[in-house]
Amino acid sequence: SQQGEEDPQALSIQEGENATMNCSYKTSINNLQWYRQNSGRGLVHLILIRSNEREKHSGRLRVTLDTSKKSSSLLITASRAADTASYFCATDAGGAQKLVFGQGTRLTINP
Amino acid sequence: GAGVSQSPRYKVTKRGQDVTLRCDPISSHATLYWYQQALGQGPEFLTYFNYEAQPDKSGLPSDRFSAERPEGSISTLTIQRTEQRDSAMYRCASSLVWSSYNEQFFGPGTRLTVL
Repeated sequence: SQQGEEDPQALSIQEGENATMNCSYKTSINNLQWYRQNSGRGLVHLILIRSNEREKHSGRLRVTLDTSKKSSSLLITASRAADTASYFCATDAGGAQKLVFGQGTRLTINP
Repeated sequence: GAGVSQSPRYKVTKRGQDVTLRCDPISSHATLYWYQQALGQGPEFLTYFNYEAQPDKSGLPSDRFSAERPEGSISTLTIQRTEQRDSAMYRCASSLVWSSYNEQFFGPGTRLTVL
């Protein structure tokens, strides 16, 4: 079973536009992480936000966390073709060592 | 090594055969994880090791699945009497220490197809 649900399941935008993906989860967490998976490759960690943080930035990435709504969003600004990938949120709701992933958002950046 | 490596990258087997997948984590990493990822889904936790100890096997789907990390470095995941529903990507990850605040570094995965 998976903890998180990403929304939308698929997103297609033009290069240069901003992309926003959302993640909802069910139980209390200590932190939430976002990972990227390019086609045919492994998952790459993007950013971690702790439960006592509301917003975090890393380059063109902005992550927000609302623990009252049990939701998080990932914003990618000024998208590039190389951002085309699947994006997953993961929480530690299953215990400190067990990441629980959502089903992912498939992002396509059109040139 | 420079990153997490897994072998083989692809494995095709017939139903009923046993398969063993290998993971070589980042050398300084104490904790190693195994995940199963179905097509179009996120990874699902199978088990993890802290050095050679295996504190959590709760994600293993059945007793046909087992994992080892005898010397606290390389790990193997064995699936006995494979079934078609075992077809998936099997991903290994490692992290520096035993904490959810640590980034997990993932390998490229092994794509298992059971015919």
